[in-house]
Amino acid sequence: GAVVSQHPSWVICKSGTSVKIECRSLDFQATTMFWYRQFPKQSLMLMATSNEGSKATYEQGVEKDKFLINHASLTLSTLTVTSAHPEDSSFYICSAQLAGETQYFGPGTRLLVL
Amino acid sequence: AQTVTQSQPEMSVQEAETVTLSCTYDTSENNYYLFWYKQPPSRQMILVIRQEAYKQQNATENRFSVNFQKAAKSFSLKISDSQLGDTAMYFCAFMNQGAQKLVFGQGTRLTINP
Repeated sequence: GAVVSQHPSWVICKSGTSVKIECRSLDFQATTMFWYRQFPKQSLMLMATSNEGSKATYEQGVEKDKFLINHASLTLSTLTVTSAHPEDSSFYICSAQLAGETQYFGPGTRLLVL
Repeated sequence: AQTVTQSQPEMSVQEAETVTLSCTYDTSENNYYLFWYKQPPSRQMILVIRQEAYKQQNATENRFSVNFQKAAKSFSLKISDSQLGDTAMYFCAFMNQGAQKLVFGQGTRLTINP
């Protein structure tokens, strides 16, 4: 149980385009989902907390107009990187929280912006 | 603010040996959760073990066990009979009860040698 999927697993796009990443909790309902960014050989950096039916809460320094988050249902949250640039290239990971406690993570999305 | 410190950037042991990864944290709260996550080369974050602070008994999951010392704010992970598949980055994480967010340590890169 507690499986989280993420799609796509990797994406290459041209600079200036927008990319949408989906995060789904497959076998449980998650009122809260999280989006992280991870640079090589570093820990996870929380970008935003997404609660179902309400606006996401962004961490300091994360541009909310750049990284659009939608959490329309208890099993789906999306992250859209708008007008992506090479510096947005990274590994993006989502997680879904079960019963207000443990976070279960998706497999991650590798984004490369050319 | 809570902080989590993993003082061992890298560790290496032989297969079948026992290894202990260190983690200390700083908090003024009394009720919280502690986690160890494993991130293998696939970069999928996998929950290894979890401990509730109100429980005195150390959590155990098969070959994985923790030594939770609440007064010392220490939460080490012991891996017994280590296997090649245990090679991964290991992250210690802290969460206040009701706070939602995870605070991660910097990670320890563990290599199991054949």
